[in-house]
Amino acid sequence: GQNIDQPTEMTATEGAIVQINCTYQTSGFNGLFWYQQHAGEAPTFLSYNVLDGLEEKGRFSSFLSRSKGYSYLLLKELQMKDSASYLCAVTRRQAGTALIFGKGTTLSVSS
Amino acid sequence: DAGITQSPRYKITETGRQVTLMCHQTWSHSYMFWYRQDLGHGLRLIYYSAAADITDKGEVPDGYVVSRSKTENFPLTLESATRSQTSVYFCASRDLSDTQYFGPGTRLTVL
Repeated sequence: GQNIDQPTEMTATEGAIVQINCTYQTSGFNGLFWYQQHAGEAPTFLSYNVLDGLEEKGRFSSFLSRSKGYSYLLLKELQMKDSASYLCAVTRRQAGTALIFGKGTTLSVSS
Repeated sequence: DAGITQSPRYKITETGRQVTLMCHQTWSHSYMFWYRQDLGHGLRLIYYSAAADITDKGEVPDGYVVSRSKTENFPLTLESATRSQTSVYFCASRDLSDTQYFGPGTRLTVL
């Protein structure tokens, strides 16, 4: 079976650093995506991790540990526009690499 | 315009009516997907397609029909709409790096 867990809500202040965790139990695990979704909009791609380790992309970084079934998304120098839902999604080697999503973490950034 | 588009963006229909949601992509991606997004469930896969004339069921296919006669189009039909199918529907296509790109979504209300 598949199980993906991430916190429902998080709050932070402008300029701070926030870490959003995601744990998964997925048979045939292939890789892990992070998407950002603003209210009323489509998910947009942030990062994709296949190998263990940290991938840095500007203010956003994503980490994966395949042995622990764990990932996190790190957002630095938070801005108000970072208020959004952050979706953790895994792909499996089967099923045409369709994404299996967690329920998302809603991040609220205040000034 | 390049990218992935969906139509209509908003639709209100009545129980028992047939509704077709359209999805068009200009990248010539082989894989296309339909997801629905509901509060408390996150994004769930309805159907996916690996190529023209090749489709397969996802997690929640009941009540939906898909076709794919051309690579660029992947319509989703609700044969007899029910209130439980009120949702936001996202179409996506996948590039060669396994990254999925989402259309803007269709907000469907079934009365």
